[in-house]
Amino acid sequence: AQTVTQSQPEMSVQEAETVTLSCTYDTSESDYYLFWYKQPPSRQMILVIRQEAYKQQNATENRFSVNFQKAAKSFSLKISDSQLGDAAMYFCAYKIRGGADGLTFGKGTHLIIQP
Amino acid sequence: EPEVTQTPSHQVTQMGQEVILRCVPISNHLYFYWYRQILGQKVEFLVSFYNNEISEKSEIFDDQFSVERPDGSNFTLKIRSTKLEDSAMYFCASLSEELYGYTFGSGTRLTVV
Repeated sequence: AQTVTQSQPEMSVQEAETVTLSCTYDTSESDYYLFWYKQPPSRQMILVIRQEAYKQQNATENRFSVNFQKAAKSFSLKISDSQLGDAAMYFCAYKIRGGADGLTFGKGTHLIIQP
Repeated sequence: EPEVTQTPSHQVTQMGQEVILRCVPISNHLYFYWYRQILGQKVEFLVSFYNNEISEKSEIFDDQFSVERPDGSNFTLKIRSTKLEDSAMYFCASLSEELYGYTFGSGTRLTVV
């Protein structure tokens, strides 16, 4: 069974600074997708960024980028120029490519932005 | 931008009662999902639905749960006899292609008293 581990229950960063959220996963599969979702206090789940395992290039979406290390099974999220609106729970998620099974989530990291 | 719509946003029910949670997925999506998030815990997969039938389900999705898509638009989750431990946020999600990730609804907060 696949597992996703987020070892940081909470992180704090000053506004405009850079923060990195950690995620590791365990799988015997070689072809899969990885996602970061943001959950603000409204509890809506918002897709932040996605990565295909067969792509070596790290995904980037504006201020959000990932460091995908397939051999190490690591998928960290870097947020640059942190903004107050970035404050939320961040969940790392895994899905094997193909098949109808759902996402496997980590327990989440609560990100606090200090003004 | 297309949205997944869930109703109601909050439902309070008595233990033992049946509840139906409703979702309207994005119209051209083909795969539909229900997830559960107990307060303070991670999001857990319940069930996936494709081509009008269940594709996969987790251990959580036992006989008290059922899903259906009665009219080609709505996608419902029924809990037959609610228990206190069913209190959670229930998210519906839909998917067109895996690469693009899932679009989640805003959730239904179910409180069983």
